[in-house]
Amino acid sequence: GDSVTQMEGPVTLSEEAFLTINCTYTATGYPSLFWYVQYPGEGLQLLLKATKADDKGSNKGFEATYRKETTSFHLEKGSVQVSDSAVYFCAVNRGGSEKLVFGKGMKLTVNP
Amino acid sequence: ETGVTQSPTHLIKTRGQQVTLRCSSQSGHNTVSWYQQALGQGPQFIFQYYREEENGRGNFPPRFSGLQFPNYSSELNVNALELDDSALYLCASSSGTGAEQYFGPGTRLTVT
Repeated sequence: GDSVTQMEGPVTLSEEAFLTINCTYTATGYPSLFWYVQYPGEGLQLLLKATKADDKGSNKGFEATYRKETTSFHLEKGSVQVSDSAVYFCAVNRGGSEKLVFGKGMKLTVNP
Repeated sequence: ETGVTQSPTHLIKTRGQQVTLRCSSQSGHNTVSWYQQALGQGPQFIFQYYREEENGRGNFPPRFSGLQFPNYSSELNVNALELDDSALYLCASSSGTGAEQYFGPGTRLTVT
C-alpha cells in the first residue's frame, strides 16, 4: 500500500537557521503530495501541496518540489522563525483515492 | 465561510463505554473523512463518507462506525472503548472523494 517516510526528529534550531525535512513516498499512479503543519493543541493545516512531477509548492517561506524520479517531497525554509515551531507531516494521496496517508511527523522547535 | 468544526473538544470515557463524536463540514463540501491520531504519530485514515454513503475504510475494526447526514455533517461512533482508542480524532471535509481535505481542530478522547 501507499506509504510515507519522513524525518521524525525532534529537531531544535535557532531562529534564522535553514530547515530541511526529508520526505519520501511510495504510491502507485500519479499521487498528489502535501505538507501539513500542526501547531500545539490544534488540528492540521495545509502548508503546501504539489499535484504533478516537478511542481513546486510554496507558502509562508516554505517550499517543496515534487521529485518523481526520487519519489521525494522535501520541505525547506531558508530562515525559520520561533512561530514555525510545530509538528510537520508529509502526506500522499494517490490520484482519486479517498484517503491521505501520512508520515509520522517531525516536531520542530525554534529557539530565539 | 465557516470551516470544519468538531465537538466536543475533549472527552473522557471509561473502557467498555460507547462514544459519539461530531463534525460539521465546511460550506459546499459533501465529503467527510475521519482520522485517528495517536500521541506522537501521524493521522491514520478511519473511513470516508460521500453523500451519506461510506466510501472507503481503513484498517479499523467494525466497532468504529459512522454516519453522514443530508446536510453533510457526520458522526463517528466507537463502541466497546479500549484504552488504545485514546487519541485525537480528526475530521476533514472536501468537495469530492479525491479533493483537497480541510481539517477540523479535532476531539481529544481519553479512555481510562
